[in-house]
Amino acid sequence: DTGVSQNPRHKITKRGQNVTFRCDPISEHNRLYWYRQTLGQGPEFLTYFQNEAQLEKSRLLSDRFSAERPKGSFSTLEIQRTEQGDSAMYLCASLNGMGTEAFFGQGTRLTVV
Amino acid sequence: DAKTTQPPSMDCAEGRAANLPCNHSTISGNEYVYWYRQIHSQGPQYIIHGLKNNETNEMASLIITEDRKSSTLILPHATLRDTAVYYCIASGTYKYIFGTGTRLKVLA
Repeated sequence: DTGVSQNPRHKITKRGQNVTFRCDPISEHNRLYWYRQTLGQGPEFLTYFQNEAQLEKSRLLSDRFSAERPKGSFSTLEIQRTEQGDSAMYLCASLNGMGTEAFFGQGTRLTVV
Repeated sequence: DAKTTQPPSMDCAEGRAANLPCNHSTISGNEYVYWYRQIHSQGPQYIIHGLKNNETNEMASLIITEDRKSSTLILPHATLRDTAVYYCIASGTYKYIFGTGTRLKVLA
């Protein structure tokens, strides 16, 4: 499979628990993005990596959120002390160096109960 | 990145051309126009992009006005599988700012 892979596809967690999502981008893509999407809205930018460097974080990314991309390959997004407002679809996308087309994964749907 | 404005919803008969408009009146010279679509419960899918010339690929055509303040995405022969939310993005940077898009419904 040469697409962007996200795991898990669905996650239900209790409020206050920590969750971690994983994104495996297309192997030769050096740019990686995380977006969040709530019902009826378009995806909202969260953060951006070029190789292993996290170059930008949105104000949406509170201090409960952390993202990593060790060795510039896969990335993880962790949410600590989840809140009901964190319930959303979390999307990962990767781009090659030319940056003309973003490839999105299927997303991880988080439900906080 | 420039703000884009799209109609919230459109219907199109199956087999007919679907023309989806987008306004980006504050677009700057280095910003491209991108179109993505999102079928229910999936990640967005790239369709096409352009700077100032009209573009065509196997999925769609993109018509950009000469002043670049607006564009139209054309799906030449819409099918039921084209029912989706279509996003128009104007971007010259490394990230995309999505709006709420146009919900296209293709009718049998």
